[in-house]
Amino acid sequence: AQSVTQLDSHVSVSEGTPVLLRCNYSSSYSPSLFWYVQHPNKGLQLLLKYTSAATLVKGINGFEAEFKKSETSFHLTKPSAHMSDAAEYFCVVSDPKIYNQGGKLIFGQGTELSVKP
Amino acid sequence: GAVVSQHPSWVICKSGTSVKIECRSLDFQATTMFWYRQFPKQSLMLMATSNEGSKATYEQGVEKDKFLINHASLTLSTLTVTSAHPEDSSFYICSARPGTSGRNYNEQFFGPGTRLTVL
Repeated sequence: AQSVTQLDSHVSVSEGTPVLLRCNYSSSYSPSLFWYVQHPNKGLQLLLKYTSAATLVKGINGFEAEFKKSETSFHLTKPSAHMSDAAEYFCVVSDPKIYNQGGKLIFGQGTELSVKP
Repeated sequence: GAVVSQHPSWVICKSGTSVKIECRSLDFQATTMFWYRQFPKQSLMLMATSNEGSKATYEQGVEKDKFLINHASLTLSTLTVTSAHPEDSSFYICSARPGTSGRNYNEQFFGPGTRLTVL
């Protein structure tokens, strides 16, 4: 079965410092992996996705993530945090086995990112 | 491109009434739409998957008669919360998946969510 674990429920950084949001996954197959961001009372916005191409994936707003199969990780990073990055971040895996049945997404618990001035 | 809208964005209703939430894909046709529920400070919980023209597939523990889902066209799905009670208060989010050939065919695009408060 597929699962996603976000290792930190809350991360706090200072503006201008690097961001690291950790995600580990469990999958029996070659997964598709996503990071989404959610601002308060808003829907989800896709930051980036990995779909078995390059292992280092660049996304929007300066975010990137590296797929490491040996570590079953897909950590999200950004070199320099901005106040507007404060939000909830979700690591998500798509189960290819049931893709033909609808392509369910399996969500991590979320990591709340706070950015201090 | 790939915009999904939800209406209403928020709704307050009395206990015992029914509430309908619409999810529309504005610039693409969605063969599959998904409905999620999100409690405060929690992750999204998939409620059901609906394919155009067929019955929705509900996740375990989700009451079919309570949460009626209709996917009548390739651009519209509706979720009706019947006989709503305060415990149904939540943030409901839909997503739509093109499901046909194209660059983003297997990606889900999310709506902005609907805040339901049942008094």
